[in-house]
Amino acid sequence: DAGVIQSPRHEVTEMGQEVTLRCKPISGHNSLFWYRQTMMRGLELLIYFNNNVPIDDSGMPEDRFSAKMPNASFSTLKIQPSEPRDSAVYFCASSTLEGQPQHFGDGTRLSIL
Amino acid sequence: QKEVEQNSGPLSVPEGAIASLNCTYSDRGSQSFFWYRQYSGKSPELIMFIYSNGDKEDGRFTAQLNKASQYVSLLIRDSQPSDSATYLCAVNGYGGSQGNLIFGKGTKLSVKP
Repeated sequence: DAGVIQSPRHEVTEMGQEVTLRCKPISGHNSLFWYRQTMMRGLELLIYFNNNVPIDDSGMPEDRFSAKMPNASFSTLKIQPSEPRDSAVYFCASSTLEGQPQHFGDGTRLSIL
Repeated sequence: QKEVEQNSGPLSVPEGAIASLNCTYSDRGSQSFFWYRQYSGKSPELIMFIYSNGDKEDGRFTAQLNKASQYVSLLIRDSQPSDSATYLCAVNGYGGSQGNLIFGKGTKLSVKP
């Protein structure tokens, strides 16, 4: 079975550019999560969706970040404009239901120069 | 502020020994508890989950939960060098955010041949 699929795997771009990260959850999973991981702060939840509806976006750092889930099989996380401090690994995860085990994608390693 | 605390390590054990990883959490209402393993440069991988007080065994892994003490642990028997990784403890939220997980910053385990 296919796991959570994220793209791109790596992204290097200049400060001020728009960055779009993509995620395809496991088929049949109703909850989708976006995380950011850094050495200093560890793994932090940015936002999560349940049945395509955003439930908790309190972890989104600021208005430069936005996330959408237009259907059950696709989600995007957008940063506009990007800043060097956004450099991190961004993970997408999905689960069957809230509170159930989450399965992670391979992540996107983002570097903002 | 909901928190999950782990000793950052590194925890070093000889091959064949038992590795004991510990985690405490602040939210008494938490219901679901997870252990993830993360190799360097890779995504978190679910290895155990536990919902009820007591022990849960899966192969060489045993998860232990004590809700009264707000404590969850992971034991790895017959540790192997391939077990060397960072182990993340995760606890579910409560109320309107029951679906999300709060992660500790992880304990780095090193198993010496």
